[in-house]
Amino acid sequence: DGGITQSPKYLFRKEGQNVTLSCEQNLNHDAMYWYRQDPGQGLRLIYYSQIVNDFQKGDIAEGYSVSREKKESFPLTVTSAQKNPTAFYLCASSTFLGRGNEQFFGPGTRLTVL
Amino acid sequence: QKEVEQDPGPLSVPEGAIVSLNCTYSNSAFQYFMWYRQYSRKGPELLMYTYSSGNKEDGRFTAQVDKSSKYISLFIRDSQPSDSATYLCAMSASLTGNQFYFGTGTSLTVIP
Repeated sequence: DGGITQSPKYLFRKEGQNVTLSCEQNLNHDAMYWYRQDPGQGLRLIYYSQIVNDFQKGDIAEGYSVSREKKESFPLTVTSAQKNPTAFYLCASSTFLGRGNEQFFGPGTRLTVL
Repeated sequence: QKEVEQDPGPLSVPEGAIVSLNCTYSNSAFQYFMWYRQYSRKGPELLMYTYSSGNKEDGRFTAQVDKSSKYISLFIRDSQPSDSATYLCAMSASLTGNQFYFGTGTSLTVIP
C-alpha cells in the first residue's frame, strides 16, 4: 500500500527543545517537501529536496533543518531558534510524470509548544 | 501581490447545489494546476490535476483552467455533506522547478 507516513501525529515540545518530525514515503518519488500550515495562511514551504543528499530552503526555512540521506526519508528538525513553532506540519512528495508533476501529502503532524 | 489568490470563504450551500471554487494567479509560467481537498486536521488529498488550459471532468468534479485570464475553477455538482472540507488550489511552472504555489484554501460546508 503506497503512501506517505508522518509521525508522530501529535507532538508537544517545551521551550528550548529541538524536535524531529518523521516523513517516509514508499512511492519511489524523487522530490520531497515540508510545509507549515497555519490558520488562514495556507501552506508555506519550509524546505524541499529533489534528490538524495540535496535540499533547498523554502520561504520560511529559518529555525528548521532537514536531511535527505535516503530517497524514502526526509526528516524535519524544528530547532529552538524557531520562535513560533506551534503549527500543523505537512510532508509531501512528487514525481515527474509524462507531462508534469503531482504532489501527494502525508497526514500531518500537529506540533504544540508548551 | 501573492502568486495565487483564493477567496477563503467560508462558503455554505444546501445539499445538491452546484459549487464553484476559484483561484487567480499572476505568474503566466504556471502550467500545472491542482485542486486538493482537506478535511479538518488531515493532510490534503489530490482531487484534480490539469495540465495547461481546458476542462477536466471526474465524476461530480470539473476543473477548468483559463490561462488567458489566469483563472482556474473547480465545480462540484450535486454537492453532498461529505464534500464539506477546505479546498486548496495549487500550481507549478515546470517539470524541473518543482515548487508548488498554494492558495490559502476555501472552506466549504454543504448543509443536509
